[in-house]
Amino acid sequence: AQSVTQLGSHVSVSEGALVLLRCNYSSSVPPYLFWYVQYPNQGLQLLLKYTTGATLVKGINGFEAEFKKSETSFHLTKPSAHMSDAAEYFCAVKSGGGADGLTFGKGTHLIIQP
Amino acid sequence: EAEVAQSPRYKITEKSQAVAFWCDPISGHATLYWYRQILGQGPELLVQFQDESVVDDSQLPKDRFSAERLKGVDSTLKIQPAELGDSAMYLCASSPPIAGDLNEQFFGPGTRLTVL
Repeated sequence: AQSVTQLGSHVSVSEGALVLLRCNYSSSVPPYLFWYVQYPNQGLQLLLKYTTGATLVKGINGFEAEFKKSETSFHLTKPSAHMSDAAEYFCAVKSGGGADGLTFGKGTHLIIQP
Repeated sequence: EAEVAQSPRYKITEKSQAVAFWCDPISGHATLYWYRQILGQGPELLVQFQDESVVDDSQLPKDRFSAERLKGVDSTLKIQPAELGDSAMYLCASSPPIAGDLNEQFFGPGTRLTVL
């Protein structure tokens, strides 16, 4: 079984400040980890993913995340927040490289204050 | 750029009525997923197809939900009868044949269902 915990249902940062969204996972096998972004009334867009190899992964729109096996974490960061980053962010896990469905966290709503 | 298509985008129905949602995956994508996203929560997998075969429907409420992908291309998800608790966003996703680690899921815009 696998699960994802996203700490903080809402995170508020000022424009230009560091964005940090937390994700911890549970998986009985080496996980594949993903971050998705969702804008209102839209589907999910992949920001970045960790499968194997380098533990620091870079994604679109200036986001990056680091896989830390010892902490079972995959936190999402962005050095400088932009107003357009306001959205819902979901962390997801999949066990291995097969075609299995994703297990999502409950999401974190990112609010950007001017 | 190829996209996953879903229709309708919005559906309002009364409880006990039947509803159906349609999904057309990206061409060549063998795997198709239906997820349900209740407001304020993350998506939950309902059913997964590999070509025309169901791979995983363990979370599908089979007393009222059904899904098919007859020719291994587009898919229909049906609810009969709809209940108030079915109000949610229904998301379809597809992924290409497995090639190493590149098994990304591409999501459609979703169908937002409101049951009155």
